[in-house]
Amino acid sequence: DAGVIQSPRHEVTEMGQEVTLRCKPISGHDYLFWYRQTMMRGLELLIYFNNNVPIDDSGMPEDRFSAKMPNASFSTLKIQPSEPRDSAVYFCASSFRTTGELFFGEGSRLTVL
Amino acid sequence: AQSVTQPDIHITVSEGASLELRCNYSYGATPYLFWYVQSPGQGLQLLLKYFSGDTLVQGIKGFEAEFKRSQSSFNLRKPSVHWSDAAEYFCAVRGAGGTSYGKLTFGQGTILTVHP
Repeated sequence: DAGVIQSPRHEVTEMGQEVTLRCKPISGHDYLFWYRQTMMRGLELLIYFNNNVPIDDSGMPEDRFSAKMPNASFSTLKIQPSEPRDSAVYFCASSFRTTGELFFGEGSRLTVL
Repeated sequence: AQSVTQPDIHITVSEGASLELRCNYSYGATPYLFWYVQSPGQGLQLLLKYFSGDTLVQGIKGFEAEFKRSQSSFNLRKPSVHWSDAAEYFCAVRGAGGTSYGKLTFGQGTILTVHP
């Protein structure tokens, strides 16, 4: 069975551009998480969904960030406009119920110049 | 609000020595607790988890952790470290009820260096 799939794996863009990160969770999982990892701030939870509904988006840093989950097999994290301080690795993870293990994707490394 | 503290940013041990990584959590009830490991450039892999029952849990790669409610701790241990254990280790707490139901929060991580 395929794991959590994220795309793109690497993205280099210029300040002000729109960035869209994509995630396909494991089939059957009902929770989906977006995390951001930086050296300074560690692993930050940005937002998580349960059954495609956003439950907690308190970690989304600014209005420039938005996330959607239109169906159980796809989610996007969008940054518009992007800034250099958004440079980080963005991880998507999914799980089955609250007792299930979180499975992580390999991450999307974003560099904003 | 739930939170996790890993007091040690960086730990260095010799190969074959024992290891203990500390983790303290804050949560209003009995939490779900996890340890994950991350190798450079990789995603996170689950080492072990605690939900209820026996407070000493066994995980993969010879790791174990003990849940101590009185100390709000969930320390990770390994009796003999291998060079391949060098990585970053994350403790995490997951909300089991209330407004944080399902929310998984990570500590800052502990980087483990293993000397030959």
